[in-house]
Amino acid sequence: GDSVTQMEGPVTLSEEAFLTINCTYTATGYPSLFWYVQYPGEGLQLLLKATKADDKGSNKGFEATYRKETTSFHLEKGSVQVSDSAVYFCALGPKAAGNKLTFGGGTRVLVKP
Amino acid sequence: GAVVSQHPSWVICKSGTSVKIECRSLDFQATTMFWYRQFPKQSLMLMATSNEGSKATYEQGVEKDKFLINHASLTLSTLTVTSAHPEDSSFYICSASPQAILGANYGYTFGSGTRLTVV
Repeated sequence: GDSVTQMEGPVTLSEEAFLTINCTYTATGYPSLFWYVQYPGEGLQLLLKATKADDKGSNKGFEATYRKETTSFHLEKGSVQVSDSAVYFCALGPKAAGNKLTFGGGTRVLVKP
Repeated sequence: GAVVSQHPSWVICKSGTSVKIECRSLDFQATTMFWYRQFPKQSLMLMATSNEGSKATYEQGVEKDKFLINHASLTLSTLTVTSAHPEDSSFYICSASPQAILGANYGYTFGSGTRLTVV
């Protein structure tokens, strides 16, 4: 079945450091790919998405490129801030409207001043 | 657009009582809503998928008699934790799929979550 694998955290960084969170997937067909962010005590917010191969999603300085050849969707940010401390989830999109997302295990990121 | 409101944000209840959590889509009609449970420092566990006007589909291992889901309208789904016990304490999150937009490209909108503590 479909699955998503993320690097385990926690990832601890200093402010202004470069962040990469690896995400690889196994899926039939070509699903959309998503990154969600969860701040402490809150629900999930969509951070960015890509709907087809070679698409690059970007938002708030974060980027991820849909790589079909490596079945990956790694999240990157060039210069993190303390406010980026959160849990990041990579997810496979549903195969059709109304179907569920498939989530990775989440990666906790802690940015220290 | 595509806002999902979840209420309450947190609730404390006594063991043996029931608690209802509401999930509302504020600016779109949600044919499908999903209910998740999240344990501390873990990923989301899908509990059930609810479709408006029909019975919810529960994931394997989820007790349907304990976690009652009702999706009576296109903008409201409720999760009732019946006869709650301390082991039901958790963070519950709903998400919704807009009716008119293909979820495959859209992704889903999530509520802000409900922290349930059973004492």
